[in-house]
Amino acid sequence: NAGVTQTPKFRVLKTGQSMTLLCAQDMNHEYMYWYRQDPGMGLRLIHYSVGEGTTAKGEVPDGYNVSRLKKQNFLLGLESAAPSQTSVYFCASSYALAGPTDTQYFGPGTRLTVL
Amino acid sequence: AQSVAQPEDQVNVAEGNPLTVKCTYSVSGNPYLFWYVQYPNRGLQFLLKYITGDNLVKGSYGFEAEFNKSQTSFHLKKPSALVSDSALYFCAVRDKAYNTDKLIFGTGTRLQVFP
Repeated sequence: NAGVTQTPKFRVLKTGQSMTLLCAQDMNHEYMYWYRQDPGMGLRLIHYSVGEGTTAKGEVPDGYNVSRLKKQNFLLGLESAAPSQTSVYFCASSYALAGPTDTQYFGPGTRLTVL
Repeated sequence: AQSVAQPEDQVNVAEGNPLTVKCTYSVSGNPYLFWYVQYPNRGLQFLLKYITGDNLVKGSYGFEAEFNKSQTSFHLKKPSALVSDSALYFCAVRDKAYNTDKLIFGTGTRLQVFP
């Protein structure tokens, strides 16, 4: 049981380049999320998904696209990277958060630098 | 809109002393409140959660949190700090609406425990 995994762990891009971050979970969770973490800003939600084939915008969606073609995978795309997208990106997954032990499970993160 | 605030960027405490990391919340309805911890270069890990009932919630690694409705607070506490508790701590609140179930995070508090 690997939990939530993210690929790649590190990446350096030049302005204008594109890339895709892959998140995979093996817990059969319905919900998946992409966050970015910046100093002093906490975690901000980029996009999320409530099930296979669905996606929705979060707090900071501009410049990003996502897809959830399979239940276990959630892809985050940057079509034309900008230096403002330099950040650490975290993926998370969960069931609904109603129960006393229901929580989001986080991946290890991807550190992205855009030059 | 649901929100949480962490008023302290950093908390310093000596090993063996009690520690408190503060969180206040603003919600409509009954709050579902969470605490997570992030160690360097790692994803977030769940510590504890408040749904309803007992105002003192016990969690992982000896941490507990006290829910106070009149002060709209959910402070994280530990009776005796360890150097290994040094990490970044996040408070979060559940944001549940039609076809969505997500978390809103605070900006984080860095805990430094000195030997």
